[in-house]
Amino acid sequence: AQSVSQHNHHVILSEAASLELGCNYSYGGTVNLFWYVQYPGQHLQLLLKYFSGDPLVKGIKGFEAEFIKSKFSFNLRKPSVQWSDTAEYFCAGSSNTGKLIFGQGTTLQVKP
Amino acid sequence: EAGVAQSPRYKIIEKRQSVAFWCNPISGHATLYWYQQILGQGPKLLIQFQNNGVVDDSQLPKDRFSAERLKGVDSTLKIQPAKLEDSAVYLCASSPRDSSGGETQYFGPGTRLLVL
Repeated sequence: AQSVSQHNHHVILSEAASLELGCNYSYGGTVNLFWYVQYPGQHLQLLLKYFSGDPLVKGIKGFEAEFIKSKFSFNLRKPSVQWSDTAEYFCAGSSNTGKLIFGQGTTLQVKP
Repeated sequence: EAGVAQSPRYKIIEKRQSVAFWCNPISGHATLYWYQQILGQGPKLLIQFQNNGVVDDSQLPKDRFSAERLKGVDSTLKIQPAKLEDSAVYLCASSPRDSSGGETQYFGPGTRLLVL
C-alpha cells in the first residue's frame, strides 16, 4: 500500500539552527513528492515539490529537499531557521492520479 | 487570484445531526478534492472530482458521507448522521488541469467540525 511517514512529530530549535525533517515514502512506480507547510492560522501551502530530474529541489523561503530513491526518502532541509518558520510541515506523495497521501506532520517550534 | 473558499469556518453539532460544507475552488480549476484532517494526523483524501465526475471516492464513508459537484464548479460535502469520530477539519483543495499527479493542489482554510 502507498504510504508516507514522517519521523519527527515535534521539533524544537533555536533560531539560526539547521533543520532537517525526515520523510520516507512507499510507492510502486512513479511518485511525485511534496512538502506543504501550515503557518499558525493559515492555509496549507506548497513549500516545494519533486516530479523528476534534479533530485535536489529548492523551494520558497530557503527550504530545499533531496529525493534519494535508494533510501525512499525526501527530507526537508534549511541551513538556518527563523522564528517565522514555526509551523506544521507535511510531506506528501502522489502517483499518476493526483491523490495526495500525507504523512502525520511535524510541528516545528523555533525559539527566538 | 482568489483562493479556495470554504464555508462555514466552524461548526458545532450534536451526534446524529446532519451538516453540510461548501467549497468554491479557484476559478477554472478542473479538479477538486475534499480531505479530512483529524487532530494530530495528516489530511486524508475523502473524494476527488474532475469537473463534475468522481475520480476517487474509495475512502469516503458512503453510508453517511456524500458529496457533489453538479456544475463542475463549487462542491458540497454532507454528513448525515454525524458521529463523534467525524470531529475534524474538512479541507477543500483544487488544481488546475487534469489529475495527473504532478500538479500543485491549492488548499482552502478548512471547516472545523466538532461533534458533541
